[in-house]
Amino acid sequence: AQKITQTQPGMFVQEKEAVTLDCTYDTSDPSYGLFWYKQPSSGEMIFLIYQGSYDQQNATEGRYSLNFQKARKSANLVISASQLGDSAMYFCAMREAVNDYKLSFGAGTTVTVRA
Amino acid sequence: EPEVTQTPSHQVTQMGQEVILRCVPISNHLYFYWYRQILGQKVEFLVSFYNNEISEKSEIFDDQFSVERPDGSNFTLKIRSTKLEDSAMYFCASSEALGSQETQYFGPGTRLLVL
Repeated sequence: AQKITQTQPGMFVQEKEAVTLDCTYDTSDPSYGLFWYKQPSSGEMIFLIYQGSYDQQNATEGRYSLNFQKARKSANLVISASQLGDSAMYFCAMREAVNDYKLSFGAGTTVTVRA
Repeated sequence: EPEVTQTPSHQVTQMGQEVILRCVPISNHLYFYWYRQILGQKVEFLVSFYNNEISEKSEIFDDQFSVERPDGSNFTLKIRSTKLEDSAMYFCASSEALGSQETQYFGPGTRLLVL
């Protein structure tokens, strides 16, 4: 079973508008962390934002915010006021429990920002 | 700001040749990882490393792969006899500590092409 599901392969957004990228996850572990990474066309992986399973509030980091709905097991990324430089692939990822070292990634969503 | 570095950025090799991919993790980080991303696919975990030992490895990480921390700063991934299907982007990552909340910071990647 997929641990991380990103159902939107690609999205277009107008500059200055907001966009929501969907991410659902599957775990039975009560302790987990959810991460979003950005991968521009140059290929590097850039950490954007983190949400812990015990966090009471949604994470925010500048123009990035995470809409965390624990009961639905979803952790959607919201990018507000989109900029041309936001055009990239976005990956949702999860770490489970203290003894699990690895990140499990979703398939990614390509965002294209239009001027 | 500290960052993970990787060399080379690109490597082209002949099938059957050995390659060594190099990484310098963030200096105060203790946990190191290798991931790979085949073109157009999601990022896959290969191996994690702590205290000079492999902590966890995936089924991809077979006997042709090895990792080493030859000195206090470098972390290497060796592929002994490359295959065509090893062509991918290889990412090194590091984290300060262990835990589901710990962010893994990625290097810029090495793009490996096996001919």
